[in-house]
Amino acid sequence: QQPVQSPQAVILREGEDAVINCSSSKALYSVHWYRQKHGEAPVFLMILLKGGEQKGHEKISASFNEKKQQSSLYLTASQLSYSGTYFCGTVLLFSGGYNKLIFGAGTRLAVHP
Amino acid sequence: GAGVSQSPSNKVTEKGKDVELRCDPISGHTALYWYRQRLGQGLEFLIYFQGNSAPDKSGLPSDRFSAERTGESVSTLTIQRTQQEDSAVYLCASSLGTSGSRFNEQFFGPGTRLTVL
Repeated sequence: QQPVQSPQAVILREGEDAVINCSSSKALYSVHWYRQKHGEAPVFLMILLKGGEQKGHEKISASFNEKKQQSSLYLTASQLSYSGTYFCGTVLLFSGGYNKLIFGAGTRLAVHP
Repeated sequence: GAGVSQSPSNKVTEKGKDVELRCDPISGHTALYWYRQRLGQGLEFLIYFQGNSAPDKSGLPSDRFSAERTGESVSTLTIQRTQQEDSAVYLCASSLGTSGSRFNEQFFGPGTRLTVL
């Protein structure tokens, strides 16, 4: 049930763009994105719901393709502060609720000057 | 306002001992979650409490692991007869979790780093 994230790691220069993908083998109700900096707790970035609603960060965008059971996180004009590990968490359709998240293994992003 | 707090921040124990980890969620959050994060790994779901409903224990790795929650407040995660493979950071999170809300972002605590010698 664990979603698959790709790539596993990304190295960027400041100002470059990156896309992180999250793919599930099961139908999804929602996808959540979190960022975790080294030694810190994960911090919420975005929620994308089946049907198109979303809530989240103003400077980070994401998409959710319900048919393909995939989500992508778009990081544009990256800043040094974007460095960290990005996790997607998925809520399965028909799971009986909106809250149980199963996280992917994470994508490590390093932004260099 | 106060965030999610966890205690202790670090725990070193000997193999075979029992440990208790504590989580204080954000006031008013009805949903509470426990995750395990091994070094360099992702977040592994352990257990989820939602209000007064029976907890979802489907992620607990063995019967040595158990968790309780008092109403909509404090939760404790207990690991009995600890093994070296239990060494990890144990993260607690809480969310509003209201049945009518679909935007229930989780707020994480700082975690408890457990080392089993």
